[in-house]
Amino acid sequence: DAGVTQSPTHLIKTRGQHVTLRCSPISGHKSVSWYQQVLGQGPQFIFQYYEKEERGRGNFPDRFSARQFPNYSSELNVNALLLGDSALYLCASSLVVGVQETQYFGPGTRLLVL
Amino acid sequence: TQLLEQSPQFLSIQEGENLTVYCNSSSVFSSLQWYRQEPGEGPVLLVTVVTGGEVKKLKRLTFQFGDARKDSSLHITAAQPGDTGLYLCAPHLVNDYKLSFGAGTTVTVRA
Repeated sequence: DAGVTQSPTHLIKTRGQHVTLRCSPISGHKSVSWYQQVLGQGPQFIFQYYEKEERGRGNFPDRFSARQFPNYSSELNVNALLLGDSALYLCASSLVVGVQETQYFGPGTRLLVL
Repeated sequence: TQLLEQSPQFLSIQEGENLTVYCNSSSVFSSLQWYRQEPGEGPVLLVTVVTGGEVKKLKRLTFQFGDARKDSSLHITAAQPGDTGLYLCAPHLVNDYKLSFGAGTTVTVRA
């Protein structure tokens, strides 16, 4: 069974550019969450989508946006990249949304902004 | 705002030794999950604790949820090099379904 997949695995961009990261959830999972993990820190919540609707948003600027498609895959978009956006971007999927709902993480996309 | 602390930040021990890592907050959790993350990979769920005072065992790993549901600990007995990784606690706050991760404890077990 395929787990959560993310693409690309690595990405190098320069300041001011735009980036799109992609995530495919586990088959049957309807919820996708995005996290940013900078070196030496735990993941920080960015967005959660369920049934193609945004269900939660973390403390990130409007340069960060996301969407979920009818097949439950998701994209995270970041505009006007800053050096501080360099991080590991993790996608997690779960069956539904709720307390105690287990989230399964993908391997992440490592973004380096120069 | 909720403050989540994990301690220690780093831990390096010899194979066969025991270790304990802690997760503390001033807020009450509805549940708490422990994850382990290895370099280049996403976090992998180890356990979910729900009830205050709950103790769960997973082979050599023992997880405890505080009576007041504000803290948790992870104890590893006879650590092995395969236990090396970043251990993250992630509580669900009351009435909040998103995960809030601590900064993690980096554990290194030397052979």
